[in-house]
Amino acid sequence: AQTVTQSQPEMSVQEAETVTLSCTYDTSENNYYLFWYKQPPSRQMILVIRQEAYKQQNATENRFSVNFQKAAKSFSLKISDSQLGDTAMYFCAFNSGYALNFGKGTSLLVTP
Amino acid sequence: EPEVTQTPSHQVTQMGQEVILRCVPISNHLYFYWYRQILGQKVEFLVSFYNNEISEKSEIFDDQFSVERPDGSNFTLKIRSTKLEDSAMYFCATPVSRENEQFFGPGTRLTVL
Repeated sequence: AQTVTQSQPEMSVQEAETVTLSCTYDTSENNYYLFWYKQPPSRQMILVIRQEAYKQQNATENRFSVNFQKAAKSFSLKISDSQLGDTAMYFCAFNSGYALNFGKGTSLLVTP
Repeated sequence: EPEVTQTPSHQVTQMGQEVILRCVPISNHLYFYWYRQILGQKVEFLVSFYNNEISEKSEIFDDQFSVERPDGSNFTLKIRSTKLEDSAMYFCATPVSRENEQFFGPGTRLTVL
């Protein structure tokens, strides 16, 4: 069974600064996908970024980028130029073809 | 524009009552997932439904749960006899154009008293 671990329950960052959220996972699969989802106070689940395991290049979406280390089974999310609207829960998720398997989440607070 | 809607947005029920949560696709999706998130905890997989059959289910999805596609245009999650611990957000999700990516509906908040 796959497990997803987010070791930082809470983090805070000042507006305009950069923050990195950690995620590690455990799997015996070789082909899989990794995701970061954002959950604001509305509790809507919003996809932030995705990474295919067979791609060595790290995914980037505007201010969001990942550091994917397949051998280390690590998948961290970097948020650059943090904005107040980035305040939310962030969930790392793993998918090898069926249901998403989520970590426990990191609560990120962006302060003025 | 959202691809999935859910109704109701919030449901309050008494313990032991049956509830039906609905998920309505905007476009014609055949594959659906249901997830649950107890307040303050992670999102957990319940069941996947493909072409009118259960494809996969978790340990959480016991006999009190059932899923249907009653009229071909929406999916339902039924909880037969609700318990206090069923209080949670319930999300449906559907695969989108990119492989393995899932779009979540806005969720139904279920409160069992």
